[in-house]
Amino acid sequence: GENVEQHPSTLSVQEGDSAVIKCTYSDSASNYFPWYKQELGKRPQLIIDIRSNVGEKKDQRIAVTLNKTAKHFSLHITETQPEDSAVYFCAAKSGDDKIIFGKGTRLHILP
Amino acid sequence: SAVISQKPSRDICQRGTSLTIQCQVDSQVTMMFWYRQQPGQSLTLIATANQGSEATYESGFVIDKFPISRPNLTFSTLTVSNMSPEDSSIYLCSVAVSGLEQYFGPGTRLTVT
Repeated sequence: GENVEQHPSTLSVQEGDSAVIKCTYSDSASNYFPWYKQELGKRPQLIIDIRSNVGEKKDQRIAVTLNKTAKHFSLHITETQPEDSAVYFCAAKSGDDKIIFGKGTRLHILP
Repeated sequence: SAVISQKPSRDICQRGTSLTIQCQVDSQVTMMFWYRQQPGQSLTLIATANQGSEATYESGFVIDKFPISRPNLTFSTLTVSNMSPEDSSIYLCSVAVSGLEQYFGPGTRLTVT
């Protein structure tokens, strides 16, 4: 089955700087890669996603890139703000329609 | 997206008892899933709730412990049976919209004493 690895587990960046979270997946049949943000005590929220036929997608300060050959995908947050502090999960949707999650990255935005 | 509600939002239960968690969606969805999230951890898929047939369970989860119902396209239940303290966790239902995007309910925080 699908296996998703996520790095780093914790990331601290200065407010205004950029943050990058990287993931790898194992199942070459996976075709959909969502990213979720989870604030303390709240449900995971879908913030951006990318499909396997696209290499990059951007939405304001957030961008995702996908390298299918290397089975890598990344989340980039630019001009970070205090409200970006949260746990971020990458995920991959395998050929059997199940979404498998990485272990998460706790992002701290330092003032 | 979809509006998803869960009941109860939290509960404290005695070991050996069972709790049934309900998930309601405001529109018909093809796929519903149940996840578990232990404190500070990631989301682990328990099972896919199939409408009109038995749920499909992931490795490590069995029907006797986590029976699931899906009577229609907007509702599902997950029962946590014969609970032990190790079952203390947040249980989340999730629905797939348009085949790809998946959204989560608010979760049920379960504490077993």
